[in-house]
Amino acid sequence: SYVLTQPPSVSVAPGKTARITCGGNNIGSKSVHWYQQKPGQAPVLVIYYDSDRPSGIPERFSGSNSGNTATLTISRVEAGDEADYYCQVWDSSSDHPCFGTGTKVTVL
Amino acid sequence: QVQLVESGGGLVKPGGSLRLSCAASGFTFSDYYMSWIRQAPGKGLEWVSYISSSGSTIYYADSVKGRFTISRDNAKNSLYLQMNSLRAEDTAVYYCARAGAYYDLDYWGQGTLVTVSS
Repeated sequence: SYVLTQPPSVSVAPGKTARITCGGNNIGSKSVHWYQQKPGQAPVLVIYYDSDRPSGIPERFSGSNSGNTATLTISRVEAGDEADYYCQVWDSSSDHPCFGTGTKVTVL
Repeated sequence: QVQLVESGGGLVKPGGSLRLSCAASGFTFSDYYMSWIRQAPGKGLEWVSYISSSGSTIYYADSVKGRFTISRDNAKNSLYLQMNSLRAEDTAVYYCARAGAYYDLDYWGQGTLVTVSS
């Protein structure tokens, strides 16, 4: 099964930039999607297909993917961005979605 | 707007059964793959199962294979998860989600809590 590794936590001051990584073997060859989950709420898709934003997602959210690492970048971080973030890819070898371990973003 | 509403969760004893439902609205349900994902208390997201738009293709996580059955009724815009032989480790919030064009999960329901305990 394909393994996706994320840092458990990232802390960032308001107005600064948060970068959340998602590591996987040759992940650059896959499409990576990112979800935001606030406490007690369902996950929300914030980035799909490496770097595309669904409608309604602020431009402050961006994504990139190359080599063995995909990155979700949150610019000009706000208090409301405090949440857990999960990356996800499709594991073609087993035909199912794989989720990363999740990263808790804390706004200082 | 797209809405997914799960129901059917609750408290069940180990070895028991439960059937979850997900009512879909705001889109052409029969055009989309659908999936169940769960989240144990304080843990991350775990994919459980998905079903193709016609219901002809189905996959399960190894952790639920042989115990859970996913199905759909396109006429009723509904997705189901029949859960048998439940274990304590099946305790989780269960979400239904719509699969997008890039194997993403573009819309999620609010989730339903399943607790397996004696």
